[in-house]
Amino acid sequence: KQEVTQIPAALSVPEGENLVLNCSFTDSAIYNLQWFRQDPGKGLTSLLLIQSSQREQTSGRLNASLDKSSGRSTLYIAASQPGDSATYLCAVTQGGSEKLVFGKGTKLTVNP
Amino acid sequence: DVKVTQSSRYLVKRTGEKVFLECVQDMDHENMFWYRQDPGLGLRLIYFSYDVKMKEKGDIPEGYSVSREKKERFSLILESASTNQTSMYLCASSLLYRANTEAFFGQGTRLTVV
Repeated sequence: KQEVTQIPAALSVPEGENLVLNCSFTDSAIYNLQWFRQDPGKGLTSLLLIQSSQREQTSGRLNASLDKSSGRSTLYIAASQPGDSATYLCAVTQGGSEKLVFGKGTKLTVNP
Repeated sequence: DVKVTQSSRYLVKRTGEKVFLECVQDMDHENMFWYRQDPGLGLRLIYFSYDVKMKEKGDIPEGYSVSREKKERFSLILESASTNQTSMYLCASSLLYRANTEAFFGQGTRLTVV
């Protein structure tokens, strides 16, 4: 059974710092990996999707990488801002299934 | 702008009531999902549907049922609400067999069972 782990569970950084969030998964037979952002009490907003054949995707200050063979993905946030404060979740779509399996998230706080 | 809409942001129901949570998407997506989210447990899949009238159990289907009579609408039903079903419920949709497209989520329904 696929398991997705995100470390650390919480992270606090000063504004302007570059940071990396980590996601690992146990079964490398994935269809894609998606990073989401969740603000308190709200739904999930999709940030980046990486197909299993891709190595990375970029959107503005965000860069996500995927190493399928080692079961790892990272989300890099450049020049962090207080508005980046949120919980970041990664999810994989298992090959042969349409279901998303989620990690428990990393709660990011960017201090002014 | 793509959209997944859940019928209520907040609901308070009594123990034993039958509860309906509605979700509508306007993207013509085949897949629709219901998750619940609890502190420390993350998002857990309750039910999934990949077509009208089709459904598959997720990881925690006990105490829930679903209905998908139309492609755009996926309903979660709590047959007899209990206090341990107090949670945030999230609906999502995605295209079938498309590795290059994202899943989209609704805004969530915070359900409290008293």
